[in-house]
Amino acid sequence: RKEVEQDPGPFNVPEGATVAFNCTYSNSASQSFFWYRQDCRKEPKLLMSVYSSGNEDGRFTAQLNRASQYISLLIRDSKLSDSATYLCVVSYLNTGFQKLVFGTGTRLLVSP
Amino acid sequence: DGGITQSPKYLFRKEGQNVTLSCEQNLNHDAMYWYRQDPGQGLRLIYYSQIVNDFQKGDIAEGYSVSREKKESFPLTVTSAQKNPTAFYLCASTRTLGSYEQYFGPGTRLTVT
Repeated sequence: RKEVEQDPGPFNVPEGATVAFNCTYSNSASQSFFWYRQDCRKEPKLLMSVYSSGNEDGRFTAQLNRASQYISLLIRDSKLSDSATYLCVVSYLNTGFQKLVFGTGTRLLVSP
Repeated sequence: DGGITQSPKYLFRKEGQNVTLSCEQNLNHDAMYWYRQDPGQGLRLIYYSQIVNDFQKGDIAEGYSVSREKKESFPLTVTSAQKNPTAFYLCASTRTLGSYEQYFGPGTRLTVT
């Protein structure tokens, strides 16, 4: 079983739609959670951290459910520029450093 | 502008040759990392370094070597012992080993034929 599991997609949505991605993780010792965005053939960039109480950044809302070991990302009012792969990332303490474990990513395609 | 540079962007090599990928950062970060990314797989950690002259193996270190002679630089050598070297290689850094946010370089796409 993968440490971090995501639906690879692609999710095809029209502009203006609301879309949600889910992610599950297997290590109950995971301490921190993130969503990264990766454009085609580019490096990943941090989109947002995910806090236990849930958090919002503009059109993006992230939720964490520690009991179910489940993380979600909601994008409202999708833009063409949101087309990318979204990586779910968890971190835990491993031999003295915060190891990041990356999911394989969920691909989003927003069409006009 | 502070950031991480990797060169070259694309690299082609023949099987059996060693190749060194460059990674330089001017963020004054202590910790640096190397990952590889393959289609359909998440990023996998190859090596990491907390400080100069110190580095540790990650999950898939076999067939790779690194050095950390300067704080700014963390080159990765892909040796001929690496069975499947063709991949997208990403270098990253954090302020310290305990920092969460990793800053990535633009990556090097290595193709070995």
